[in-house]
Amino acid sequence: QVRLVQSGSELKKPGASVKVSCKASGYTFTKYAINWVRQAPGQGLEWMGWINTNTGNPTYAQGFTGRFVFSLDTSVNTAYLQISSLKTADTASYYCATGGGDYHWGQGTLVTVSS
Amino acid sequence: SYELTQPPSVSVSPGQTASITCSGDKLGDNYCHWHQQKPGQSPVLVIYQDTKRPSGIPERFSASMSGNTATLTISGTQSLDEADYYCQTWDNSAMIFGGGTKLTVL
Repeated sequence: QVRLVQSGSELKKPGASVKVSCKASGYTFTKYAINWVRQAPGQGLEWMGWINTNTGNPTYAQGFTGRFVFSLDTSVNTAYLQISSLKTADTASYYCATGGGDYHWGQGTLVTVSS
Repeated sequence: SYELTQPPSVSVSPGQTASITCSGDKLGDNYCHWHQQKPGQSPVLVIYQDTKRPSGIPERFSASMSGNTATLTISGTQSLDEADYYCQTWDNSAMIFGGGTKLTVL
């Protein structure tokens, strides 16, 4: 079955960087795009963008350009989200999810940014 | 920017039917999907492409679309259905989520 397993929680200081991984299994990795979704504490779901797993081409939603980078390593069926120059406002759970209409979600990665 | 509107909260008694609506100016032009998120857990797809139920989702979950309003219906609601529910669609190549509806079973 389709499974997305994300890396563990992170505690970072403002100004640092973080890289979240999302390892896919149970299907051909290039079959589905990977979406990234942010959820701030007590808030709703916010789409950050997606990456085409065939071409590696990323698309970023408004508000997620510049400090946010989506990437892939197709040799290990893994997608990555890197956030640089972290701010306290980046404290959130970050989810990967497959595209294609039959959405499967990772378990989420909590990133806490605090001095 | 395009928005999907959901009621912030819905309450239902156990065994009764819960209905959660989602409206948007162009919702009828694209598929609507529904995601369930229980406290402390990641979301789970419960309805895709307006009315389809993924394997493993109980038959008590159903959905419909009328014009630009989608409705998620949970028949015979159980306490384990208590969760936040988000509708979702695509518009101009952007994924759009509704603000979420907190379903309380009491």
